Amino acid sequence: DQQVKQNSPSLSVQEGRISILNCDYTNSMFDYFLWYKKYPAEGPTFLISISSIKDKNEDGRFTVFLNKSAKHLSLHIVPSQPGDSAVYFCAALKTSYDKVIFGPGTSLSVIP
Amino acid sequence: KAGVTQTPRYLIKTRGQQVTLSCSPISGHRSVSWYQQTPGQGLQFLFEYFSETQRNKGNFPGRFSGRQFSNSRSEMNVSTLELGDSALYLCASSLEGGPSRAQYFGPGTRLLVL
Repeated sequence: DQQVKQNSPSLSVQEGRISILNCDYTNSMFDYFLWYKKYPAEGPTFLISISSIKDKNEDGRFTVFLNKSAKHLSLHIVPSQPGDSAVYFCAALKTSYDKVIFGPGTSLSVIP
Repeated sequence: KAGVTQTPRYLIKTRGQQVTLSCSPISGHRSVSWYQQTPGQGLQFLFEYFSETQRNKGNFPGRFSGRQFSNSRSEMNVSTLELGDSALYLCASSLEGGPSRAQYFGPGTRLLVL
């Protein structure tokens, strides 16, 4: 039973354009969400997070949107750069110190 | 500050053997979590330790165990290895009460079971 889903295993985007990575969750008790980026042979790196009391959080080129009613969040990268090519993981948790649940990841390729 | 370190980085074992992986968290971080990553499965949560106590546990068999020491360093043990245990094992530490609940990952230990 996958509580956090990333239905697109891969995504290709032209450099300079917007990348939109999507994530859906099933557990309405999740109240905190994070995005991580992972390069080959490295551990995941934290990118950006959002609490369920917000619907948007922005950090430079990265913006995360949360739609609680749809149980959906998305990560927007604008403009996309070749260095953004990596696997992106969505993660969710209940902040009562429950375990973090990760999605299966989406591999983003930004084409120069 | 030094990042999360994991040793060894690579390991080859045979079925039936046991293995111990080590993780040193970022200084000051008291929470350490372990994950298994296999192709197509993403990161599967194994367990989390906080102040030497297991606080959360994933859905893995009892062959997978862990512990945390007083200096927050953690070890993970897998006994009676199976071929399916071949994976990247990631350790992550976090600052309890931190503003983002972000976890900081080590580079992982890649285990191959033959």
